[in-house]
Amino acid sequence: AQSVTQLDSQVPVFEEAPVELRCNYSSSVSVYLFWYVQYPNQGLQLLLKYLSGSTLVKGINGFEAEFNKSQTSFHLRKPSVHISDTAEYFCAVSEYQGAQKLVFGQGTRLTINP
Amino acid sequence: ETGVTQTPRHLVMGMTNKKSLKCEQHLGHNAMYWYKQSAKKPLELMFVYSLEERVENNSVPSRFSPECPNSSHLFLHLHTLQPEDSALYLCASSQETGDYEQYFGPGTRLTVT
Repeated sequence: AQSVTQLDSQVPVFEEAPVELRCNYSSSVSVYLFWYVQYPNQGLQLLLKYLSGSTLVKGINGFEAEFNKSQTSFHLRKPSVHISDTAEYFCAVSEYQGAQKLVFGQGTRLTINP
Repeated sequence: ETGVTQTPRHLVMGMTNKKSLKCEQHLGHNAMYWYKQSAKKPLELMFVYSLEERVENNSVPSRFSPECPNSSHLFLHLHTLQPEDSALYLCASSQETGDYEQYFGPGTRLTVT
C-alpha cells in the first residue's frame, strides 16, 4: 500500500527567505505526485504535479518540486516566500489511473513571519 | 472560484438528526469524491464515484450514505452521527482521463453535538 510522510508538521520562515517542505512516499509501483495548498477556511488547491517527464516541476505562485525516485521524495521549494504563502501544504500520491485514489500526507503548516 | 460548490458551509447537528451535504461541480467532470478532514489527521478518502458508479468505499460506517444522481451532483446523507464525526467534509471532482487533477470545494464544517 502506498503512504506519504511529511516530515515537518510546522515550518516557520521569515518573509523573503527560502523554504523547503519535505515529502517522502512509499509505493511498490510507479506513482503520480501532487502538492496541494489549503488556505484558511478554504478547500485544497493544486500547486503542482508530477506525472512523468522532467523531474523538476514548476507550479503556481513560484513553487517548484523535484521528484527523486531513488530517494522516493518530492520536496516542495520556493526561493523567496511572501506573507500570503501562509497556509497548510499537503503532499499526495496516487497509483491509480482514472478515478484517482489520492493518499495524502498529514500536512505541513507554513507560517511566514515579517 | 474552483468550480466545485458545497452546501451548507457550516452544519451543527445532534446525534439523532438526519441531514445531507450537497456538492455540485460545474467543470464537466465524470468522477467525484468525498473526503473527511479531521484535526491532526491526514485527509481520509471516504467515497469515489466514477461515471456515477461507486468505485470506492473506504470502510466508512453506514451512518454515512453517499448518493450520486448524476455526474454533476454528489450528496452525503448523515444519520445518527457521533461526536467524533465532527470534521471538515470536502468534495472533489476530476476527469477520468487527462491531467489527473482533483478540484476541491470549500468544504462543509460539521459539528455533531
